Amino acid sequence: QQPVQSPQAVILREGEDAVINCSSSKALYSVHWYRQKHGEAPVFLMILLKGGEQKGHEKISASFNEKKQQSSLYLTASQLSYSGTYFCGAGDTDKLIFGTGTRLQVFP
Amino acid sequence: DAGITQSPRHKVTETGTPVTLRCHQTENHRYMYWYRQDPGHGLRLIHYSYGVKDTDKGEVSDGYSVSRSKTEDFLLTLESATSSQTSVYFCAIPLAGGHYNEQFFGPGTRLTVL
Repeated sequence: QQPVQSPQAVILREGEDAVINCSSSKALYSVHWYRQKHGEAPVFLMILLKGGEQKGHEKISASFNEKKQQSSLYLTASQLSYSGTYFCGAGDTDKLIFGTGTRLQVFP
Repeated sequence: DAGITQSPRHKVTETGTPVTLRCHQTENHRYMYWYRQDPGHGLRLIHYSYGVKDTDKGEVSDGYSVSRSKTEDFLLTLESATSSQTSVYFCAIPLAGGHYNEQFFGPGTRLTVL
């Protein structure tokens, strides 16, 4: 079953903050975040592993609550380049189960 | 960047015809994945491979088959295409040096079944 993301859509002005949540009905061993710009392929942002290890490629932070089976992605001081659709992925042994996505639009 | 290409990039076909999509990688990675993307459903895993001739089903495998006879190529076949298989199809491989779920996606194939 796919993880559930909330909200489904967010509209921001440049400089504002946003939080995107990801919740799973199954135990989460790792959570992965991706961003997809319109007409492009998804791009890896960050992985959060059970036990607290976090690896990322951009200045975006995230949290992982193993007990609640939830993860949140924090986008602070948003920039126009943050616009796109964000997907969380629940790690399941050697594959990912993606959430339904959150569309983020940042306006000047 | 990882080298991964998909062909064709766009295809229009008719219901009932067979269709094969190709994913080609130059990273010599064991793992390769096929996803479909539809509005409201996000990305859903169709099939994946963990080595030559080693494949497994994903969430939405009905109506699809795959083959991997060489490390670099992973083929997705729709034996008899239906309109419900109209979608954007993405292939992915793990990023070099990363966890196998840190995935790098190909450019996608837009398939329309009339």
